Amino acid sequence: DVKVTQSSRYLVKRTGEKVFLECVQDMDHENMFWYRQDPGLGLRLIYFSYDVKMKEKGDIPEGYSVSREKKERFSLILESASTNQTSMYLCATNRGATNEKLFFGSGTQLSVL
Amino acid sequence: GIQVEQSPPDLILQEGANSTLRCNFSDSVNNLQWFHQNPWGQLINLFYIPSGTKQNGRLSATTVATERYSLLYISSSQTTDSGVYFCAVDQGAQKLVFGQGTRLTINP
Repeated sequence: DVKVTQSSRYLVKRTGEKVFLECVQDMDHENMFWYRQDPGLGLRLIYFSYDVKMKEKGDIPEGYSVSREKKERFSLILESASTNQTSMYLCATNRGATNEKLFFGSGTQLSVL
Repeated sequence: GIQVEQSPPDLILQEGANSTLRCNFSDSVNNLQWFHQNPWGQLINLFYIPSGTKQNGRLSATTVATERYSLLYISSSQTTDSGVYFCAVDQGAQKLVFGQGTRLTINP
């Protein structure tokens, strides 16, 4: 089975802090994704990466950046956290170019105070 | 962009009942997936089903791509089936668009 590991289950940060959310997968998948999930808004794609050092904007990239220096690791960065970035953040991965089955990590609930 | 609508939004059933969840989408798709999010927030991939029918134990799914809908069937429901069920379709370029989900509650 694919294992997608997110570094923290719960995280509390202050407004203006720089925040790093880490995601690691163990199945040599090409694609990695960051979503956020909010009540009433469902899951929305922030960024995704289809290869090392490659990234594409999703539907809501504003206020976020990403880094993929190694194939197995995809980081989401909040340069200056704001209260409206309080959310559940979900990392996901799949195998290749044909949009195959998507596998999710267990999520990070981020609270920005 | 593509629109994804799921119905019903909420469903409450007794253990042992059967249920059908529906997903309508507004354009042709290459990819449709069903997920279950358990009460602890973990999303599990149930089916990758751009067309046709698949079965996995008590769960089965059917996608009629030409009519732009997919159905998820759950038979003999158990309390562990509770949670939110999402369908997601591709928007092209590796992006999946998620529906709002159906919240299923199975009472003992």
